[in-house]
Amino acid sequence: SAVISQKPSRDICQRGTSLTIQCQVDSQVTMMFWYRQQPGQSLTLIATANQGSEATYESGFVIDKFPISRPNLTFSTLTVSNMSPEDSSIYLCSVGKGGSNTEAFFGQGTRLTVV
Amino acid sequence: GENVEQHPSTLSVQEGDSAVIKCTYSDSASNYFPWYKQELGKRPQLIIDIRSNVGEKKDQRIAVTLNKTAKHFSLHITETQPEDSAVYFCAARRYNNNDMRFGAGTRLTVKP
Repeated sequence: SAVISQKPSRDICQRGTSLTIQCQVDSQVTMMFWYRQQPGQSLTLIATANQGSEATYESGFVIDKFPISRPNLTFSTLTVSNMSPEDSSIYLCSVGKGGSNTEAFFGQGTRLTVV
Repeated sequence: GENVEQHPSTLSVQEGDSAVIKCTYSDSASNYFPWYKQELGKRPQLIIDIRSNVGEKKDQRIAVTLNKTAKHFSLHITETQPEDSAVYFCAARRYNNNDMRFGAGTRLTVKP
């Protein structure tokens, strides 16, 4: 298994500002992902955080709005830039160890409210 | 890309009854199908998963079945208990691939 520490757990931010969310894993993992879960909705993949290279974004998500860093195999950050109320959501970090170990583990999520 | 559909969106059962949630997927190359349980305000937790070389898998009161030909898989919970009340998500992914696609979720309520 993997223990994931995600912070902050929640924040209330002013529109136009940016928030950086951190995801720390207790062991090296091959894959790290960022998901968004809007209230009462499913999980939507934002991007795959690639170690040592640019993240891979899903359709509808762009680097300027959601810059991602992954400096090593245990840590990643997601920034929500120039926030608007529509960005209010839960953001979740997910990790996978790759290979035959297919299980994905989730951080506890960051509940973001933009006012 | 993969598209996962999940039904029903809400399900209410009496304690002790069975609950069944169904999902279909579109990508025939998908071969890993997990189910997650998410309680209010908490992270999704894996409860059971199945790979495409298996038709059925059971873990105590929970079972998952997979029909690869029809591209659908189902979660079965028997002898439901109030603590089973949560939102359940199905998902599909290609083995060793990056992204997991989730269904829309089913809110299960077990009435005592």
